[in-house]
Amino acid sequence: DAEITQSPRHKITETGRQVTLACHQTWNHNNMFWYRQDLGHGLRLIHYSYGVQDTNKGEVSDGYSVSRSNTEDLPLTLESAASSQTSVYFCASSDRTGFLREQYFGPGTRLTVT
Amino acid sequence: GQQVMQIPQYQHVQEGEDFTTYCNSSTTLSNIQWYKQRPGGHPVFLIQLVKSGEVKKQKRLTFQFGEAKKNSSLHITATQTTDVGTYFCAGPGTGGTSYGKLTFGQGTILTVHP
Repeated sequence: DAEITQSPRHKITETGRQVTLACHQTWNHNNMFWYRQDLGHGLRLIHYSYGVQDTNKGEVSDGYSVSRSNTEDLPLTLESAASSQTSVYFCASSDRTGFLREQYFGPGTRLTVT
Repeated sequence: GQQVMQIPQYQHVQEGEDFTTYCNSSTTLSNIQWYKQRPGGHPVFLIQLVKSGEVKKQKRLTFQFGEAKKNSSLHITATQTTDVGTYFCAGPGTGGTSYGKLTFGQGTILTVHP
């Protein structure tokens, strides 16, 4: 069965370190998204991609970067982790074609920056 | 940019009581999606509404899209403990080409007391 996975599921890192969160989907979806979830803020879009070599900034992109070298993966990098980036991170994907475009979410990564 | 406002932020009900969450947009939406996130889980797609005044039902859940396509609601009849979680609405993202980007509301956290 197709799925979307994230790793690691939990991560503790120190301020200033570079951290990369992995996202892998086997839906063969063109669209991939990264969100962070914080209480009171819902799901906020960090970066997204509509296909290989395409990346776009979301509403809270400062301090984050992504790259899309293939259809299946969209890794999220925190260049220099800050305590304000402690959050739960969700990756999602959706089909670019068709009208529905529902998003399928991964299980999430809980990141703590100390 | 477009904002999707969702209220209330929290709702506590006794099992068997009804529950409603509301979603409002400052602009007309081409469609609206609803997601449910169980505690500790990831968001899962529930439904998409497209037409003005549309009403869709899924067992005890009733979804409505306003006539002006600027608001939507999710109503749960006779809540059960299995309804616990966070309910999100999401409208299409804005800014440039949108092949499936979403703007999520802040979510309503529902707790059900047995």
